[in-house]
Amino acid sequence: EVILVESGGGLVQPGESLRLSCRVSGFPFENFWMSWVRQVPGKGPEWVANINQDGSEVYYANSVRGRFTITRDNAKTSVFLQINRLKSEDTATYFCAREDCSGGSCPTGWFDPWGQGSPVNVSS
Amino acid sequence: DVQMTQYPSTLSASVGDRVTINCRASESVSTWLAWYQQKPGKAPKLLIFDASTLQTGVPSRFSGSGSRTEFTLTISSLQPDDLATYYCQEYDTHSHIFGQGTKVEIK
Repeated sequence: EVILVESGGGLVQPGESLRLSCRVSGFPFENFWMSWVRQVPGKGPEWVANINQDGSEVYYANSVRGRFTITRDNAKTSVFLQINRLKSEDTATYFCAREDCSGGSCPTGWFDPWGQGSPVNVSS
Repeated sequence: DVQMTQYPSTLSASVGDRVTINCRASESVSTWLAWYQQKPGKAPKLLIFDASTLQTGVPSRFSGSGSRTEFTLTISSLQPDDLATYYCQEYDTHSHIFGQGTKVEIK
């Protein structure tokens, strides 16, 4: 069974830092791109970052570039999201998601499956 | 960035009804489009990719169509379990833009 479990969220003050983790099992983690996607309640999801299989390529949404850093540890089948200088507008549930492959081509661009999410609340 | 607009924002239908959800892209995304279902308190679940390919395990009452800027998700016979919010997502650009969602309510 494919399982993604996020952790590390919580209540933080503006300006602080946070590191989210996503532990994966049930598939060959080292073969897939991974993404972080966030969602404010009542809004559509927002992709924030992704990383290729060996961590040599990373991409960020314009809205988070410079403050967010995505990394991975294939030995620990985990992907991480470091968030610095947190702002109130970063308040959301953060999901990790696998970017699927198709016919040997990766990434495809769609997300399947997703973790259960880790809520982050930035408030003083 | 490309903009993805879904309509309607909410729809109410009866069990057994045919339901159509629309998604419009501000510029062509070819057929690089996915649909997701999200139930309250849960993560999104992939239903369709490449605009019309049903993900393995998804009931055949779901179907997708369209290309370039106009896309449709159809539920051929609405079931109580289909109560959810549905999102489209483009992957023609690296920004992976999602629509704002269509909430489906059961009458």
